[in-house]
Amino acid sequence: QKEVEQNSGPLSVPEGAIASLNCTYSDRGSQSFFWYRQYSGKSPELIMFIYSNGDKEDGRFTAQLNKASQYVSLLIRDSQPSDSATYLCAVRGSSASKIIFGSGTRLSIRP
Amino acid sequence: GAVVSQHPSWVICKSGTSVKIECRSLDFQATTMFWYRQFPKQSLMLMATSNEGSKATYEQGVEKDKFLINHASLTLSTLTVTSAHPEDSSFYICSAPDPLKGYGYTFGSGTRLTVV
Repeated sequence: QKEVEQNSGPLSVPEGAIASLNCTYSDRGSQSFFWYRQYSGKSPELIMFIYSNGDKEDGRFTAQLNKASQYVSLLIRDSQPSDSATYLCAVRGSSASKIIFGSGTRLSIRP
Repeated sequence: GAVVSQHPSWVICKSGTSVKIECRSLDFQATTMFWYRQFPKQSLMLMATSNEGSKATYEQGVEKDKFLINHASLTLSTLTVTSAHPEDSSFYICSAPDPLKGYGYTFGSGTRLTVV
């Protein structure tokens, strides 16, 4: 079992709709959770981080964490073509050292 | 948030030569930096962890004599690809923990290396 798992996609969402990206992790003691956006040919950009169970909102983005289910998600409201990218889920485990990255979900927003 | 500056953005070198990539933390001190490699349409692969003032820690399968890492100050880490071969052509990215973003990693802009 991979430490951080994501569906590779591509996930195709119409413009203006909500895009939902999901991630599961294996280390039950994981402390902090991150979402990155990576455009093709560019380096990843940190867009959200969350520590506690529940929702955290920042503009059109909402991160959701459920530690009991070992599940973290990212919702993008009012999806725009500029949101088309690969989204990486990342988790800092119980050892509190390195962050482990998922392989990413490719999101495509269709006009 | 923190800014990590990486240079050069792209480099083309001849097979057998060495290439140095620099990564600087501009507005914070980074005692640790992480070096990644990414092949087209593939995941990030952690190569090594660079620690200021001490030896780097390499991931399994990464040749430490080929990928030389130096972290001589709290703001500068360098990766030197020695005796480069075409199979070393890849996108190399450095990152550092950002204290303003929950110590998530802030990435440099990356260096696209092409070995011909």
